[in-house]
Formats: sequence, structure tokens, C-alpha cells
Amino acid sequence: GAGVSQSPSNKVTEKGKDVELRCDPISGHTALYWYRQSLGQGLEFLIYFQGNSAPDKSGLPSDRFSAERTGGSVSTLTIQRTQQEDSAVYLCASSYPPTGELFFGEGSRLTVL
Amino acid sequence: AQSVSQHNHHVILSEAASLELGCNYSYGGTVNLFWYVQYPGQHLQLLLKYFSGDPLVKGIKGFEAEFIKSKFSFNLRKPSVQWSDTAEYFCAVTPTGGGNKLTFGTGTQLKVEL
Repeated sequence: GAGVSQSPSNKVTEKGKDVELRCDPISGHTALYWYRQSLGQGLEFLIYFQGNSAPDKSGLPSDRFSAERTGGSVSTLTIQRTQQEDSAVYLCASSYPPTGELFFGEGSRLTVL
Repeated sequence: AQSVSQHNHHVILSEAASLELGCNYSYGGTVNLFWYVQYPGQHLQLLLKYFSGDPLVKGIKGFEAEFIKSKFSFNLRKPSVQWSDTAEYFCAVTPTGGGNKLTFGTGTQLKVEL
């Protein structure tokens, strides 16, 4: 597709369960970002992948959060043992070049009951 | 590390009023600056950006922003807002040179009333 694709668009899970969120960036974009958007919190940076460089994981809030990017394309954000405070919209974005315009996906809305 | 402050969290205007949304950043070096907009039910999209050159940049839908280096500011302006400008606006900054994350402010929710 032409844009950044994220799945699932909505996910409801029970506290303690693991979830995986997927991002398919725009073809050819070397940079991929994950952000979290919570009400009143703006966009919170989580992790940034750029080419073959080591990812910038400085925004991951705890070791329950991890992300990988396979083959320089698709990325998966995994949240283990989900907590209610993990409820948010998780946004993925990609860009080329890395400091250029970010193109955002529609987001994955996570609700932890 | 860089940071961004947006001091106006909620703004309500009548149609045809002028708009100015404040954005200040903190970083010791040169930066690239952005404004993104999120219309209700839609994904974030770029409104305008500043990399270098003329500090007054123009974006889509009649928006403009001015980079004032001495004030570390990049305020967004529009002379006459429309109801369709109702949205959330985010300022963002990244150090120049590549390989750096984009840091966003907390956003300003703009509501334009008819």
C-alpha cells in the first residue's frame, strides 16, 4: 500500500496478557518510529530504528516493552504482561531520509481491562 | 536531549479569528522543526517544516510558522481560522544531521466555533 499500515487497529486484552502490534512502513523508508499517544500526554517516543544501526530504545517505559524490525521493513512492538496503564494508541511512523517528514499510520488502539 | 513545550493545551476560537500557537524547544545545537496536525478521526500529518533558510515557512491550508532562533521558538500562525481547522496540533523537533529521534510536544487542541 501507499501508506504506513498498522495492525490490529483495535485490541482489547486482559491485564497480564502479552500483545503484539505490527507496523508495515512505506517501502524504501529507512527510519521507523514507534510512539505512544495517551490522552493529555501527547506523543511519547518509544523506539527508533534507522537502517542497520542499533535502535534507539531510550523511550521504552519498562522491560515489558520490546520491538524488533525484521529485514529493515516490518516492525513488531511487543508488550508483555500488559497493565492497565499500557492502554493507549500506539503509533508507527516511517521516513526517508530519517530527519525528513514522518508518515504516520492510523495507530493501534490498545485497551487493557 | 531535546524537549518541546506547547503552552496552550486548549484553544477555542470563533471562525475568522487569528491563531497563534506557541512552541518552544530546548536544545543546544541546530534543529529541524515541524508542526503536525491530527484532524478528528484521522492520522497525524505534516503541516509544515523548517530545516534552514528563510525562518518564515508556509505550509498547507494557509498555515505559517516563524523560527526565532534567539527565542528557541517556532510558533504556528494562521490569519483567519475556519471550522475545518478544528484539530490537535503538535510541534516537534529533531537535531539536524540525521540519526536522531523526533521529539513532540504535548499538543494543542484547537476548537473553532461557527
